[in-house]
Amino acid sequence: DTAVSQTPKYLVTQMGNDKSIKCEQNLGHDTMYWYKQDSKKFLKIMFSYNNKELIINETVPNRFSPKSPDKAHLNLHINSLELGDSAVYFCASSQALTGGRYGYTFGSGTRLTVV
Amino acid sequence: AQKITQTQPGMFVQEKEAVTLDCTYDTSDPSYGLFWYKQPSSGEMIFLIYQGSYDQQNATEGRYSLNFQKARKSANLVISASQLGDSAMYFCAMREGRGDFGNEKLTFGTGTRLTIIP
Repeated sequence: DTAVSQTPKYLVTQMGNDKSIKCEQNLGHDTMYWYKQDSKKFLKIMFSYNNKELIINETVPNRFSPKSPDKAHLNLHINSLELGDSAVYFCASSQALTGGRYGYTFGSGTRLTVV
Repeated sequence: AQKITQTQPGMFVQEKEAVTLDCTYDTSDPSYGLFWYKQPSSGEMIFLIYQGSYDQQNATEGRYSLNFQKARKSANLVISASQLGDSAMYFCAMREGRGDFGNEKLTFGTGTRLTIIP
């Protein structure tokens, strides 16, 4: 059973399109995140949710809209895709108040290519 | 200022040798956590080891150990007896604060690409 699963794994789309990435975790964690890894492999947080509540919104363009229908799911919708949105997007989860001592668990990533 | 600094963009190490990957951090928060992740060419992020700022002993997990020098703000990863499968990108990351509800983001360094030579 995959702990944090993301779909799709690969996404190729044209500029201007709207696309969604889905994430689900079965670890019982109460906090979920979206991270973006750019072409230089740099990882930066985009959003975090705790129990369906948005906690962190790290100066991400408002074309990116996360949605958490329940604490096990966190989806990312991107409107009007631009070339610069091409990256690998990672979903992750952790349990608050453990200080992440047991690690933040990452999904396998979604490689988004905008052409 | 960079919160996490990894000064070695790439390293080549002979198989079976030990390797140290450097990481320095910058925070004024007395409570924080330090993490190392491995990212092989397949792309997934694999959690390796964790060190809390109040932990008295250096963390160890199998062949991985963390050389935590709090006064110097360094958290180097040591891999003993390196194997070919250790070839990957390695990221150091920090969580500032105690880890309360959802504000416990990880800040990553730029990574070190480790290549193990047979």
